Amino acid sequence: GAVVSQHPSRVICKSGTSVKIECRSLDFQATTMFWYRQFPKQSLMLMATSNEGSKATYEQGVEKDKFLINHASLTLSTLTVTSAHPEDSSFYICSASGVIADSLQETQYFGPGTRLLVL
Amino acid sequence: AQKVTQAQTEISVVEKEDVTLDCVYETRDTTYYLFWYKQPPSGELVFLIRRNSFDEQNEISGRYSWNFQKSTSSFNFTITASQVVDSAVYFCALSEASGAGGTSYGKLTFGQGTILTVHP
Repeated sequence: GAVVSQHPSRVICKSGTSVKIECRSLDFQATTMFWYRQFPKQSLMLMATSNEGSKATYEQGVEKDKFLINHASLTLSTLTVTSAHPEDSSFYICSASGVIADSLQETQYFGPGTRLLVL
Repeated sequence: AQKVTQAQTEISVVEKEDVTLDCVYETRDTTYYLFWYKQPPSGELVFLIRRNSFDEQNEISGRYSWNFQKSTSSFNFTITASQVVDSAVYFCALSEASGAGGTSYGKLTFGQGTILTVHP
């Protein structure tokens, strides 16, 4: 079953509003979570790396004041797109890094993604 | 800086044909991980394989096989006897190893993806 969930799976909002996307690791603790963005017919591009209890590290070109990331617990990271505009419409995917059950190795698990459409 | 190149933008085959998806990577790291993911129309990434840079053995899993050639920095993926359900976008990715003994890895750098269409 899924080990990382995202909510909502799909959201449509008006231009200028803020949208929060949640990423949860299920049954494991994730000290590090990653947020990726994928525009139609393009590849996944890393936006930021989120560590529990500390500020996120943003990739070059990603506005930290527009894409607010909070990693308040070992199982939850949130991405808030502030004052969203049509050009922010994209597929946002998170991943969580951790060790599940009897696995010996830390592995990164991807969430199912959130489709954001800004009108 | 890390870079992953998937030169084939789109591939179209007829069912039961074999198809190879190419992946070439660049990194200065001595220890790293390589991945292949499948992304069906739903968008959710499906993990296919992870390979440590020290393990150059080729791998076979059912109809899937992977050829890792460190000398040419390539990690190619072959689907044997392709099926319509194999139609998807396939991504090759690279990550620097981290943690004690290089057993962990961090952010992934993805290739541009190859759109595979298998016709009945």
